[in-house]
Amino acid sequence: QVQLEQSGAEVKKPGASVTVSCKASGYTFTDYYIHWVRQAPGQGLEWMGRINPKIYGTYSTQRFQGRVTMTSDTSVTTAYLELSGLRSDDTAIYYCARAETESNDFDYWGQGTLVTVSS
Amino acid sequence: SYELSQPPSVSVSPGQTASIPCSGNNLGKKYSSWYQQKPGQSPVLVMYEDNKRPSGIPARFSGSNSGNIATLTIGGTQPMDEADYYCQVWDNNIAVFGGGTKLTVL
Repeated sequence: QVQLEQSGAEVKKPGASVTVSCKASGYTFTDYYIHWVRQAPGQGLEWMGRINPKIYGTYSTQRFQGRVTMTSDTSVTTAYLELSGLRSDDTAIYYCARAETESNDFDYWGQGTLVTVSS
Repeated sequence: SYELSQPPSVSVSPGQTASIPCSGNNLGKKYSSWYQQKPGQSPVLVMYEDNKRPSGIPARFSGSNSGNIATLTIGGTQPMDEADYYCQVWDNNIAVFGGGTKLTVL
């Protein structure tokens, strides 16, 4: 069965960086894009960007450009999201989600990773 | 940038029909998707391409999209349907989510 298993919760200080991993299983990793979506406490969903593991192509929204790096390692079927220059308003649950194309629906989601930014 | 609007809350009695609207400029020209999120859980896709149900989603869930409004309809709403619901579209290869609607079944 398809699974997206994310890394555990993180607590970081302002200005630091965090890396969240998303290990895929149960399907051919390079056949699907991995998208990243975050949700601040009590708030809605916010799309951050995506990566195509087959060609290593990435795209992120302007809001995060310069601070976000998305990578993938096909040898371990894992995608990574690195967010730098953390601020308190980056405190959120970060989800990875699978989609068949760059602009398709998200049919499977990871369990989420809580990132807390606090001094 | 494109925006989607949803009412913050909708209430429905068990067994009745719940309709959750999502509005956006010329929304009917885009495919809409809907996600259900229960407290402490990840979102789940419940509708895609306006009116298609993924495998495992009950037939009481249906969708429509025309003009400026997309609607998720739940017929014969059950207590288990109580959740937050988010509409979503793609605009210039960017995923846009509505603000979410809390469906209360009481």
